[in-house]
Amino acid sequence: QVQLVQSGSELKNPGASVKISCKASGNTLTTYSINWVRQAPGQGLEWLGRINTRNENPTYAQGFRGRRIVFSLDTSVTTAYLQITSLKAEDTAVYFCARVVTPFSGMDVWGQGTTVIVSS
Amino acid sequence: DIQMTQSPSTLSASVGDRVTITCRASQAISDWLAWYQQKPGKAPKLLIQKASSLESGVPSRFSGSGSGTDFTLSIGGLQPEDSASYYCQQYDSYPWTFGQGTKVEIK
Repeated sequence: QVQLVQSGSELKNPGASVKISCKASGNTLTTYSINWVRQAPGQGLEWLGRINTRNENPTYAQGFRGRRIVFSLDTSVTTAYLQITSLKAEDTAVYFCARVVTPFSGMDVWGQGTTVIVSS
Repeated sequence: DIQMTQSPSTLSASVGDRVTITCRASQAISDWLAWYQQKPGKAPKLLIQKASSLESGVPSRFSGSGSGTDFTLSIGGLQPEDSASYYCQQYDSYPWTFGQGTKVEIK
């Protein structure tokens, strides 16, 4: 059973950047896409976007199309990354990666989450 | 963007009760709907996709129905371990969107 393992918690100052990793066990992200979802403290789930693991084409949620967030993959397609620049206090959240295996599927495997705290 | 509206926001029920959560989409999404369960401090878990297709390993007391704009998640015979938050999510079109969640508590 594939697992997604994310990098550890981060504490960042406002205006800084953070890069979160999501590594697939079994060495390869043999899937359709990796999606990124965040959850602010005490709040619901927010979809940030996804990256197609076959052609590396990203799709960003509306609020992030100014490219404050960037999705990427490593060349061997074992790890996905989420980079957020110009961090704000409201970016404080748990960030999850999640797998989708076909264009007609829900997110069936999730990483354990990465806590990002933005505070001066 | 497609808005997903869940109700109720919170429900309290007894062990053995049948509970139903509803999810309404602001426009038709066919049956491109998933349901997730999330326990505190944990990642969401996919329960149902394509509105009614139960994921492997999910207890059969969970069921989903609906198409178009109106969907339901039912738990037939609530168990203590079902205490969690539940979210619907549409994957008909980008951006994918979630309902605001329903917190299920055990009396």
